Amino acid sequence: ETGVTQTPRHLVMGMTNKKSLKCEQHLGHNAMYWYKQSAKKPLELMFVYNFKEQTENNSVPSRFSPECPNSSHLFLHLHTLQPEDSALYLCASSPRLGVGEKLFFGSGTQLSVL
Amino acid sequence: DAKTTQPPSMDCAEGRAANLPCNHSTISGNEYVYWYRQIHSQGPQYIIHGLKNNETNEMASLIITEDRKSSTLILPHATLRDTAVYYCIVRFATANIYNQGGKLIFGQGTELSVKP
Repeated sequence: ETGVTQTPRHLVMGMTNKKSLKCEQHLGHNAMYWYKQSAKKPLELMFVYNFKEQTENNSVPSRFSPECPNSSHLFLHLHTLQPEDSALYLCASSPRLGVGEKLFFGSGTQLSVL
Repeated sequence: DAKTTQPPSMDCAEGRAANLPCNHSTISGNEYVYWYRQIHSQGPQYIIHGLKNNETNEMASLIITEDRKSSTLILPHATLRDTAVYYCIVRFATANIYNQGGKLIFGQGTELSVKP
């Protein structure tokens, strides 16, 4: 148990659906992250939030829309996805944003787009 | 951040020490070496990190060569639950606008299989 909880664990959606991934941490951390892990590929950093403010968008398509209402919660809103977006989506948090900080990861949401 | 090179896979007998190598020949003086692992269907888990000196914690030991161009993660008594992908990552000690400060950039890692 890392203290970072992601829901749902599995999600199947059609290309015209709208869905949201949720991440919650009770560690008192101020930085939160979304990573994408496609099959046979390294983890890719998508978004970074620090004190609820987005500090990084790694050229992610607009069909992925993050939201961070407070330092404990992070959402990833999904709409009109493509089959190639099927992947494991991982949320992480760290006490602060910066080098040297350990990241704590959730177990991820396994997304399948049909 | 400097690139790392790891073998794609390794086997280890249960109860024996697992020694996972990592080459980072272009590492700079202010870059740390981090190790994370990812057990199947879970998120990555922090193991250990170091700059110059060898480090040990309850999970593992990290041996960094004197020239810092390579390192070895040692799991002293591997168990079946240690079967995972192990990632070696080098990361700047301080952030500035010219580096990837704050980011954790993952490579392909080493898939360690611990066998009975």
